[in-house]
Amino acid sequence: GEDVEQSLFLSVREGDSSVINCTYTDSSSTYLYWYKQEPGAGLQLLTYIFSNMDMKQDQRLTVLLNKKDKHLSLRIADTQTGDSAIYFCAERRSAGNMLTFGGGTRLMVKP
Amino acid sequence: NAGVTQTPKFQVLKTGQSMTLQCAQDMNHNSMYWYRQDPGMGLRLIYYSASEGTTDKGEVPNGYNVSRLNKREFSLRLESAAPSQTSVYFCASVGTTDTQYFGPGTRLTVL
Repeated sequence: GEDVEQSLFLSVREGDSSVINCTYTDSSSTYLYWYKQEPGAGLQLLTYIFSNMDMKQDQRLTVLLNKKDKHLSLRIADTQTGDSAIYFCAERRSAGNMLTFGGGTRLMVKP
Repeated sequence: NAGVTQTPKFQVLKTGQSMTLQCAQDMNHNSMYWYRQDPGMGLRLIYYSASEGTTDKGEVPNGYNVSRLNKREFSLRLESAAPSQTSVYFCASVGTTDTQYFGPGTRLTVL
């Protein structure tokens, strides 16, 4: 089973904000990542946050980290049809460089 | 600078056949990884190589072998393919910020 959990599906209208949520289990995680995967393509790194941060903003993307609840979220402002993809969160634990991935959230943006 | 490249992009095998998936990176990264991606299961680590000359098992190593040929190249071998190995395989390498960069993937079908 996975230690990183995400909801399977999210549907929003173009122009709205999208919020994709993720929970993880290892409180010693050092980095947490968000990747985007478009159909037939590999994973593209969107953003990452170090575990001593609460928030990181990068243009339309805002990452919020609640370490107490082990909850990570990705907010996409002004969601566009080109944002339709599967979004994976991943945690890097303190030991080694390995990542543990969630199962992915499929974001569908309706025009 | 091509990043992480993988060959082939697609492959169909019969049960019992063997093949090698190739991966190369031109970013001078030390660590490289092989994952498989199955629907709804995120990415699972097969093997990784923390540096040239070393390899270690990940979460799902059975049925696979790897070779870290040099710093650039990390290959994944299926000695006797099984239908359960039908999947999309991704290679990744780790950069200086501990972020993983992914190749475009190899779609493998075992009949």
